[in-house]
Amino acid sequence: GENVEQHPSTLSVQEGDSAVIKCTYSDSASNYFPWYKQELGKRPQLIIDIRSNVGEKKDQRIAVTLNKTAKHFSLHITETQPEDSAVYFCAASIRGSTLGRLYFGRGTQLTVWP
Amino acid sequence: IAGITQAPTSQILAAGRRMTLRCTQDMRHNAMYWYRQDLGLGLRLIHYSNTAGTTGKGEVPDGYSVSRANTDDFPLTLASAVPSQTSVYFCASSKTTGGSETQYFGPGTRLLVL
Repeated sequence: GENVEQHPSTLSVQEGDSAVIKCTYSDSASNYFPWYKQELGKRPQLIIDIRSNVGEKKDQRIAVTLNKTAKHFSLHITETQPEDSAVYFCAASIRGSTLGRLYFGRGTQLTVWP
Repeated sequence: IAGITQAPTSQILAAGRRMTLRCTQDMRHNAMYWYRQDLGLGLRLIHYSNTAGTTGKGEVPDGYSVSRANTDDFPLTLASAVPSQTSVYFCASSKTTGGSETQYFGPGTRLLVL
């Protein structure tokens, strides 16, 4: 099955700086890569996703890049704010899977200091 | 009901007791999932259902069972709870299981088994 690894496990940045979280995956058949944000005590919520037919996607201060050759994808947050503090999970899904299951990374605790 | 809900919000349970966690969605999603979240381990899939009447095992199914009698409900049962089942349980749903569908999470159930 798919194996998703996520780094770093913790990340601290100053407000206004950029944050980058990286994930690698093992199965070249994976074609869908969502990122979820989970605030303390809350449910994971989708913040951005990318499909394998594009290399980059942006949504305001958040961007995701995908390198299919190297089998890695990254989340970039620019101009970080304290409310960006949360746990971020990457995930991958395999094309043609009847389950549609997401394979999750173990998460990155992002702390943005004011 | 709007979206996906879970009950109870939290529960303290004596070891050996039976417990059913409830999950209901009103989005007419075909696929539903149960995850457990433990610190440092991310989200691990327990059981899933592609459509009403069908279920399958995820990566950590032992000690858990599910049923899917209709589209909206997907209860998770612990037949005889053990302390290692102390966790936060999230139910999720997606429109289909095509491998690239967004999963929407419920608010979670915090379970403590003593």
